[in-house]
Amino acid sequence: AQSVTQPDIHITVSEGASLELRCNYSYGATPYLFWYVQSPGQGLQLLLKYFSGDTLVQGIKGFEAEFKRSQSSFNLRKPSVHWSDAAEYFCAVVGSGNTGKLIFGQGTTLQVKP
Amino acid sequence: GAGVSQSPSNKVTEKGKDVELRCDPISGHTALYWYRQSLGQGLEFLIYFQGNSAPDKSGLPSDRFSAERTGGSVSTLTIQRTQQEDSAVYLCASSLDRYYYEQYFGPGTRLTVT
Repeated sequence: AQSVTQPDIHITVSEGASLELRCNYSYGATPYLFWYVQSPGQGLQLLLKYFSGDTLVQGIKGFEAEFKRSQSSFNLRKPSVHWSDAAEYFCAVVGSGNTGKLIFGQGTTLQVKP
Repeated sequence: GAGVSQSPSNKVTEKGKDVELRCDPISGHTALYWYRQSLGQGLEFLIYFQGNSAPDKSGLPSDRFSAERTGGSVSTLTIQRTQQEDSAVYLCASSLDRYYYEQYFGPGTRLTVT
């Protein structure tokens, strides 16, 4: 069965510092991968997605992610974090069964120190 | 344009009562998903609708949960005889179709069972 693991439950970085959030997936075929962000009391907003092609994908708000098949990883990065980036981040993979349903990781809460 | 909307935004109910949660997907989106977000279980898939096809109910946790989608648009998730473990945020998402994969989420309904 597909699964997604986000090893870091909580991360704190200083404003202006770089950020990397880790995501590992378990999936037999080529995965379709996503990163979503959820601000307090809000729904999920799509940051970026990977379906195929270039393994480095750019998203909104200055985020990027790199797909590494050999490591089964899809880590999210940002060169310089802003206080407004404080939120919860979810990595997800499309599950099997041709429904498009998403399998989510447990999420990583990002705290930004001034 | 208008995004996915959900109502109510908050619902407090007594144990044993029935509740109905509503989702209005983005116009033209044929795929609709319900997910549940709870502290213990994270984000989990509940049910999927695609046009007039039979729904995928594989994620529903018990027979107290049911959902319908009328006219290929609005969906209602019903929980009968609510239990305290049903307390969670219920998120709805829609997509152009199941193959498009990019899902747009509503703000969610926070359900509290007392």
